[in-house]
Amino acid sequence: DAGVTQSPTHLIKTRGQHVTLRCSPISGHKSVSWYQQVLGQGPQFIFQYYEKEERGRGNFPDRFSARQFPNYSSELNVNALLLGDSALYLCASSLARQTYGYTFGSGTRLTVV
Amino acid sequence: GQQLNQSPQSMFIQEGEDVSMNCTSSSIFNTWLWYKQDPGEGPVLLIALYKAGELTSNGRLTAQFGITRKDSFLNISASIPSDVGIYFCAGQAADNTNAGKSTFGDGTTLTVKP
Repeated sequence: DAGVTQSPTHLIKTRGQHVTLRCSPISGHKSVSWYQQVLGQGPQFIFQYYEKEERGRGNFPDRFSARQFPNYSSELNVNALLLGDSALYLCASSLARQTYGYTFGSGTRLTVV
Repeated sequence: GQQLNQSPQSMFIQEGEDVSMNCTSSSIFNTWLWYKQDPGEGPVLLIALYKAGELTSNGRLTAQFGITRKDSFLNISASIPSDVGIYFCAGQAADNTNAGKSTFGDGTTLTVKP
C-alpha cells in the first residue's frame, strides 16, 4: 500500500513568488494535516483538513492557505514567499479528524532564495 | 501558546547502552506521542500514550505519560546503531478547536557509537 505521497520532493523559489505543494493521503484516510519543519526544530502545525473542510489552523500568516479535494488529496499554497519560509513541509494523514498519531509523508524541501 | 521542552538536545552513547529522554509542557495534554525521524524522511510514530500514568512498550522502547499530564519520557534499552536519528515528543490538547493539532518538541538527536 502506498503511504502518504508528497510532491515535489524539492523546490527552489525566489522571494515574492508563489508555491503550491501537493499531498496524497493513504487510501481511506480522510484527514490531512500540514506541518512546517525548520531546520533544527520540530514540526509546527499549519492546517488540518477533514472531509474537505478546514478543521484547524496554526499560527501562520494569511499567505498560507490550503484546500482538500473530493478524493481527499490536498494542496498547500504559500504566497509572497519570504526567505524564512524555507523549510521542510510535511503532510500527514489519518482516518479521522481527531486521532492519536499520524502517518507522515517524506516532505517537500522548499528553499527560498 | 503551548510549548514543549525536550531534553537532552543531543546524546552520544555507546552501542548497548540505555537511553532516556523526556519532554515537559506548560500545558496539559490528553495524548503524548513519540516519533523518530531519519534524514530525508518524515517522522514515524513509535508510541502513543492516551492517559495519565500509562506506561507503554514497543520492543526496546518504553514510554510513560506523566501523572500531571504535563510530561512524558521515552527510554530505549540496549541501543543499536539503527537507533540513530532524531526523536520527537508531541502532545495533543483537549480542546476541540484544534483537535487534530500536535505540538512538537525540538527533538533529541541520538548518536550511537558501535
